[in-house]
Amino acid sequence: NAGVTQTPKFQVLKTGQSMTLQCAQDMNHEYMSWYRQDPGMGLRLIHYSVGAGITDQGEVPNGYNVSRSTTEDFPLRLLSAAPSQTSVYFCASSYFQGGEQYFGPGTRLTVT
Amino acid sequence: RKEVEQDPGPFNVPEGATVAFNCTYSNSASQSFFWYRQDCRKEPKLLMSVYSSGNEDGRFTAQLNRASQYISLLIRDSKLSDSATYLCVVDGTGKLIFGQGTTLQVKP
Repeated sequence: NAGVTQTPKFQVLKTGQSMTLQCAQDMNHEYMSWYRQDPGMGLRLIHYSVGAGITDQGEVPNGYNVSRSTTEDFPLRLLSAAPSQTSVYFCASSYFQGGEQYFGPGTRLTVT
Repeated sequence: RKEVEQDPGPFNVPEGATVAFNCTYSNSASQSFFWYRQDCRKEPKLLMSVYSSGNEDGRFTAQLNRASQYISLLIRDSKLSDSATYLCVVDGTGKLIFGQGTTLQVKP
């Protein structure tokens, strides 16, 4: 049981490039979410999903897309990277919305 | 007013001390409350859920005061390994809202 896994662990992008951050969980959780964490800002919700085929926006969705084709996977796409997207990105999952969440190890992204 | 507010600290305490953190929340309809622990550059990990009647897990005690809309975390007999950032987390219309965290540094 691997829990929540994220790849890559580190990434450097140039402004304008696109990429996908991968997230997978093997706990059969219905709810999955993406957060970014910046110094002094705490964790901010980017997008979330309450089940396969259902996604919704969080607090800071601009510049990011998500999809949920399976229960296990919830990738986050950066459409055109900007320096303001330099951050640590965490994926999390839980049995239900509002329940205790389990986090992946994070992806540290730098956009130059 | 922020939805979830914590004193960022840092709290510097000697080993063996008792330390308490408070957290206030703005949504009176919130139903779920948690404390998470986050070590430097690592992912947050659930420390404990907070129940209406209060709950204890070893040296850690969590309490909820719905009337005043705050939750607290008490750590007794602090260990060096307790040094971390403690995140207060409150359910806000189904989505978890994270406080900015309180940093604890336990010194020998």
